[in-house]
Amino acid sequence: GQSLEQPSEVTAVEGAIVQINCTYQTSGFYGLSWYQQHDGGAPTFLSYNGLDGLEETGRFSSFLSRSDSYGYLLLQELQMKDSASYFCAVEVHGTYKYIFGTGTRLKVLA
Amino acid sequence: ETGVTQTPRHLVMGMTNKKSLKCEQHLGHNAMYWYKQSAKKPLELMFVYSLEERVENNSVPSRFSPECPNSSHLFLHLHTLQPEDSALYLCASSQDPSSGGAEYNEQFFGPGTRLTVL
Repeated sequence: GQSLEQPSEVTAVEGAIVQINCTYQTSGFYGLSWYQQHDGGAPTFLSYNGLDGLEETGRFSSFLSRSDSYGYLLLQELQMKDSASYFCAVEVHGTYKYIFGTGTRLKVLA
Repeated sequence: ETGVTQTPRHLVMGMTNKKSLKCEQHLGHNAMYWYKQSAKKPLELMFVYSLEERVENNSVPSRFSPECPNSSHLFLHLHTLQPEDSALYLCASSQDPSSGGAEYNEQFFGPGTRLTVL
């Protein structure tokens, strides 16, 4: 089957760095995306990795290793507003199909 | 209006009702998606339309019927639903991902319709 695994919950303090891992098992992998969703809100796009390596966007970075079927989202200088759920998603090559992970709920403590 | 809008935001319906969810995107995208989000489950892709043609139908029960009259509008027609269909239904749009390039992989989501089936 096709699946993505993420930790269900992560807790960290303001100013800290946190890493959210995602391992995937899919056929025809094309790229890995990350989305943020606040309670009651819509998912919003954070980053995309189509190739191995690190992509940096401000305080957020995302990493992909295709050989390990693994990626992570790194959040630096955590702020209270970063408390949300974070989803990884795989685009299956050759299709319009996106498969999402179950999400990681991040709690940022003061 | 900007971005992706969805109406209604909340819907309560009985199992024998017929209702429709509406999605509109103002981003000039040519691909639109319906997702179902249930508690403690991953977002489930239901349908994908590219250039108004359905390109993905993810084994969704026939009580859900999508319609895409043009590239800006997407509907989800509902009839004889079950209580387990209660969920948040999210619409999204993007550039056609088959066009390639990272910018084509970003999906823009609407706020969702919270559906309760009694």
